[in-house]
Amino acid sequence: ILNVEQSPQSLHVQEGDSTNFTCSFPSSNFYALHWYRWETAKSPEALFVMTLNGDEKKKGRISATLNTKEGYSYLYIKGSQPEDSATYLCACMDSNYQLIWGAGTKLIIKP
Amino acid sequence: GAGVSQSPRYKVAKRGQDVALRCDPISGHVSLFWYQQALGQGPEFLTYFQNEAQLDKSGLPSDRFFAERPEGSVSTLKIQRTQQEDSAVYLCASSLGGSVGTDTQYFGPGTRLTVL
Repeated sequence: ILNVEQSPQSLHVQEGDSTNFTCSFPSSNFYALHWYRWETAKSPEALFVMTLNGDEKKKGRISATLNTKEGYSYLYIKGSQPEDSATYLCACMDSNYQLIWGAGTKLIIKP
Repeated sequence: GAGVSQSPRYKVAKRGQDVALRCDPISGHVSLFWYQQALGQGPEFLTYFQNEAQLDKSGLPSDRFFAERPEGSVSTLKIQRTQQEDSAVYLCASSLGGSVGTDTQYFGPGTRLTVL
């Protein structure tokens, strides 16, 4: 069974600053990694699905990288805005095709 | 188009009561997932349907939990004889195809269950 870790648990960032956080997972039996953004009182929103080592995906000011050999993914946010405040969750697909979720990084943007 | 909807959004139950949580997936989505999220933790997989077939129910925590999707669209998660440890947010997600690993999952807003 995979154990997916996210760090830090929470992060306060000044508006306009860039930031990044980490998702770690066991590198064996890796199948896919998903990133989600979850705002309070809303539904989790899919950001990226990544499968290939070295993969890099971008959506506006948000980007993600994937290293399957060492078992980590970074999520980057450039020029943070108040609307970026949310919990960012990663989930790793294991060989049983179940998504194993991290506990999330809660991002708070200070105006 | 309409996203995934769940009802009720909030449910308070007395210990020992039965509850039923409903999920309406996006129309045409083949796969449907149920997750349980306890406070401060990430979601945990409960069960997965492809159309009306329940292909994986290994995450259901006990035989008090039962899920169905009889016509391959709406799904119901039923919890019998609720216990306090069942208090959590129950999330439903659907995805278009049967490629569970790489398909994007679209989530509903969740049902927050509180068992007193």
